[in-house]
Amino acid sequence: KAGVTQTPRYLIKTRGQQVTLSCSPISGHRSVSWYQQTPGQGLQFLFEYFSETQRNKGNFPGRFSGRQFSNSRSEMNVSTLELGDSALYLCASSGTSGWETQYFGPGTRLLVL
Amino acid sequence: QQQVKQSPQSLIVQKGGISIINCAYENTAFDYFPWYQQFPGKGPALLIAIRPDVSEKKEGRFTISFNKSAKQFSLHIMDSQPGDSATYFCAASKTGTASKLTFGTGTRLQVTL
Repeated sequence: KAGVTQTPRYLIKTRGQQVTLSCSPISGHRSVSWYQQTPGQGLQFLFEYFSETQRNKGNFPGRFSGRQFSNSRSEMNVSTLELGDSALYLCASSGTSGWETQYFGPGTRLLVL
Repeated sequence: QQQVKQSPQSLIVQKGGISIINCAYENTAFDYFPWYQQFPGKGPALLIAIRPDVSEKKEGRFTISFNKSAKQFSLHIMDSQPGDSATYFCAASKTGTASKLTFGTGTRLQVTL
């Protein structure tokens, strides 16, 4: 079974731009979560989507948004990029929302200049 | 507010030794405690997880010890190997929101020959 895939793997943007990151979960998984990883703040939960609905949300500003499609693929969008948005963005999928193990993708490394 | 405190920040252990990483949590609603292993350039991978109905769980060389009254849990890596050199994260979540993990700050483990 293929793992969680994320595209692109690397991205360079400038302040004020917006960016869209994509995540394809493991086949059959319906829950997709997004995390931001930075050296200073560590791993922080952004949001979770399950069956195209946002089920949980972390403490991030509204500039961070996401969506999930009927095939469970998910995208996250960051608008009006700030230097502090430079991070590794990780996507994780699980079969259902609740108890199951989350499987992480390799991440998208975003650099904001 | 940091809800999961992890120590030490870094750890150097000789090959064959025991690596011990500790975590403490504040939210008594947490009832799922996984440990993740992350290699450079990779996403975190689940190593082992425990629920508060048991005080210890062992899988191969990896053991989680859990102390509910002290709100602490730890990871023990027996017979540490150079291939175990990675960053380890403890995490916690609560029933129904296992996808919303709160992570510790991570421990960088180096196993020397």
